[in-house]
Amino acid sequence: KQEVTQIPAALSVPEGENLVLNCSFTDSAIYNLQWFRQDPGKGLTSLLLIQSSQREQTSGRLNASLDKSSGRSTLYIAASQPGDSATYLCAVPDSNYQLIWGAGTKLIIKP
Amino acid sequence: EPEVTQTPSHQVTQMGQEVILRCVPISNHLYFYWYRQILGQKVEFLVSFYNNEISEKSEIFDDQFSVERPDGSNFTLKIRSTKLEDSAMYFCASGQGMDSPLHFGNGTRLTVT
Repeated sequence: KQEVTQIPAALSVPEGENLVLNCSFTDSAIYNLQWFRQDPGKGLTSLLLIQSSQREQTSGRLNASLDKSSGRSTLYIAASQPGDSATYLCAVPDSNYQLIWGAGTKLIIKP
Repeated sequence: EPEVTQTPSHQVTQMGQEVILRCVPISNHLYFYWYRQILGQKVEFLVSFYNNEISEKSEIFDDQFSVERPDGSNFTLKIRSTKLEDSAMYFCASGQGMDSPLHFGNGTRLTVT
């Protein structure tokens, strides 16, 4: 059964720093991996989707990498801003395309 | 950019009452989903819907739950007799297929008292 883990659970960094969020999954036979952002009490905003055949995807200051063989993905945020403060979630679909979610990393960017 | 919309944003109901959560998925999407997130816990899959029928459902989605796509735009989740443990944020999502990202609504916060 697929399990998704995110480390750290919380991260607080000064504005301007580059940072990396980690996501690991137990079953490497994934179809894709998706990173989401969740603001407090709000919905889930899709940030990046990486197909299993891809190594990375970029969107603006965000870069997500995927290493299927080791069961890991990272989300790199460059030049962090206070507006980046949110919870970041990763999710992978199981064989029925039900998303299996990590618990998220709560990111705080200090001005 | 088109988005998934959910109403209401917050619903308070008494235990045993029926609630209907409403969603308008993105118009050209074919796959529809409900997920929920109990406060402080992971997001959990409830049900997926394709071609006017349920394609998959989780153990959470018991006989108290039902989904409907009554017309070409709305997608609803009904809970017949709410329990305290149904209190959660309910998210609707839609997608074009397995190669495409899922798009989520802002959620409905359901509080059962």
